[in-house]
Amino acid sequence: AQSVAQPEDQVNVAEGNPLTVKCTYSVSGNPYLFWYVQYPNRGLQFLLKYITGDNLVKGSYGFEAEFNKSQTSFHLKKPSALVSDSALYFCAVIDQTGANNLFFGTGTRLTVIP
Amino acid sequence: KAGVTQTPRYLIKTRGQQVTLSCSPISGHRSVSWYQQTPGQGLQFLFEYFSETQRNKGNFPGRFSGRQFSNSRSEMNVSTLELGDSALYLCASSLNSGRSYEQYFGPGTRLTVT
Repeated sequence: AQSVAQPEDQVNVAEGNPLTVKCTYSVSGNPYLFWYVQYPNRGLQFLLKYITGDNLVKGSYGFEAEFNKSQTSFHLKKPSALVSDSALYFCAVIDQTGANNLFFGTGTRLTVIP
Repeated sequence: KAGVTQTPRYLIKTRGQQVTLSCSPISGHRSVSWYQQTPGQGLQFLFEYFSETQRNKGNFPGRFSGRQFSNSRSEMNVSTLELGDSALYLCASSLNSGRSYEQYFGPGTRLTVT
């Protein structure tokens, strides 16, 4: 069975500092990994995905994520946080069954403090 | 290109009633998936439609059903509403069906069951 863990419900970071939102996964076979962001009263916005290739994936709005197979992690990072990055972040995985359903983590609320 | 649209945005229904939610995917996208988001259960996959056929179904009771039309628009129906059905229902579209295709989400329909 597939699962995704986001160990931190809340992450606070000062504006201008680097940010990291953590995600670990458990799937059978090779995972397809995704990060989405949700702003209040809005749907989810796609940030980036890892399918294969380079372990460092670059996405929208300056975000990037590092795939680490040995640690089964896919942490989201940004070198310099903006107040506008404050939102709810979801990590998601699709396993190798071929089904298209995303399996989401519980979400991490990021607050960037001015 | 216009994004995924969902109607209505807000809905209030009474227990025992039924409800139909609508989703229009991004132009050219052929796969539509539905998700339920609640504070307690998080984001959960309901079902996926591709070329008017249900390809995959999550672990929800038969009261939840859907369909897709030839223009890729999709509807979701919930019959005999229960209080626990109160949630944000998100529709997502992707270019094709398959895990390498990222899903783009609409703003959701907020359903309140009283």
